Amino acid sequence: ETGVTQTPRHLVMGMTNKKSLKCEQHLGHNAMYWYKQSAKKPLELMFVYNFKEQTENNSVPSRFSPECPNSSHLFLHLHTLQPEDSALYLCASSQEITGSYNEQFFGPGTRLTVL
Amino acid sequence: QKEVEQDPGPLSVPEGAIVSLNCTYSNSAFQYFMWYRQYSRKGPELLMYTYSSGNKEDGRFTAQVDKSSKYISLFIRDSQPSDSATYLCAFFSGGYNKLIFGAGTRLAVHP
Repeated sequence: ETGVTQTPRHLVMGMTNKKSLKCEQHLGHNAMYWYKQSAKKPLELMFVYNFKEQTENNSVPSRFSPECPNSSHLFLHLHTLQPEDSALYLCASSQEITGSYNEQFFGPGTRLTVL
Repeated sequence: QKEVEQDPGPLSVPEGAIVSLNCTYSNSAFQYFMWYRQYSRKGPELLMYTYSSGNKEDGRFTAQVDKSSKYISLFIRDSQPSDSATYLCAFFSGGYNKLIFGAGTRLAVHP
């Protein structure tokens, strides 16, 4: 595997289900990100992790719970979602987070549909 | 006023046309200016980035930044069907590597 991988690629869940999204980066990076991409809207940053520590939570509802067990893996645990949470969820990684720009590399995303 | 404005399109052009994609922004603190390309069912990939005002060229692609007007452009020369994708402008202002994205412009290049 190379780059940033995400599983599953597609997920359909009911509002009462609990599911998890997985992201793995094979780039040796130290920072990882979760983004939400809805149709015709800008990418919304959800969470940022640097060296496994959460550095940003962009006012995300508690029904989204991130987990970063190590610098290579990132999870997004989902529970009691709403239909408006249906979107493409993108994971990204970068070498680090500093005051200057570090290129972010994106995975292919998980297309989530909440019924 | 939105921090970033980008026309969502869609923009449909014939093969070989010159394409112009644009974004305006309001935050004077933006330091880096980026263009990402996103193919269908894929994640965004960085196409080009610039730090200062002026032009930067890479093959058929030219990125242009006008800080005084808070306006950035991406030009694609001799467009190809393989250029059909959504193009996202993005901006970086420091801090925790946080990027601010435009909504994306969908481009279709038809043979």
